[in-house]
Amino acid sequence: GAVVSQHPSWVICKSGTSVKIECRSLDFQATTMFWYRQFPKQSLMLMATSNEGSKATYEQGVEKDKFLINHASLTLSTLTVTSAHPEDSSFYICSARDPRKSNQPQHFGDGTRLSIL
Amino acid sequence: AQSVAQPEDQVNVAEGNPLTVKCTYSVSGNPYLFWYVQYPNRGLQFLLKYITGDNLVKGSYGFEAEFNKSQTSFHLKKPSALVSDSALYFCAVTPLYNQGGKLIFGQGTELSVKP
Repeated sequence: GAVVSQHPSWVICKSGTSVKIECRSLDFQATTMFWYRQFPKQSLMLMATSNEGSKATYEQGVEKDKFLINHASLTLSTLTVTSAHPEDSSFYICSARDPRKSNQPQHFGDGTRLSIL
Repeated sequence: AQSVAQPEDQVNVAEGNPLTVKCTYSVSGNPYLFWYVQYPNRGLQFLLKYITGDNLVKGSYGFEAEFNKSQTSFHLKKPSALVSDSALYFCAVTPLYNQGGKLIFGQGTELSVKP
């Protein structure tokens, strides 16, 4: 079945560092990918919709300059947390849907645990 | 406004007993409904979906869910729970008119199955 790969799975870095997270669709081309943020034992909060070849669509309250999204190819979207601070520590999850299958569900990556010291 | 509600933060069940995880939704038009499961430090795994047709949907790992339009509910069920079913469960909905596929998630229900 369809697989979405997310890398890295765990990042620990110092405050002020920028961190890039990659999301790849492995056996289908994803024109749209989604980025979520999740706090412990809470629901997923949609941050933005990543569109191949165009600008991402951000949800209300999400800082575009803080969370840079690039969807340069049909199989790769990246989320860069710029100048990360401890409050950015969270679990970030991406998902993608095979556009050929309109009734099929989104497939999720395994998430990235980001810890900012 | 579109929304999904999972009224129980936690459900505790003894192994071998039936389990139910509740979900109600509010969307305009007919929805696509989904259940996902999340294990610790992992992404979400798809369990089952309702698009149209039979109200009773069967999915992975012996789970099933019943779509009830009049009650706007989509409760997840399993006849006999396993300890390995312990995880965080999310109900989600996509309004039909939303071609972008954006999912609206419930707040999640933690299922704990004790031996």
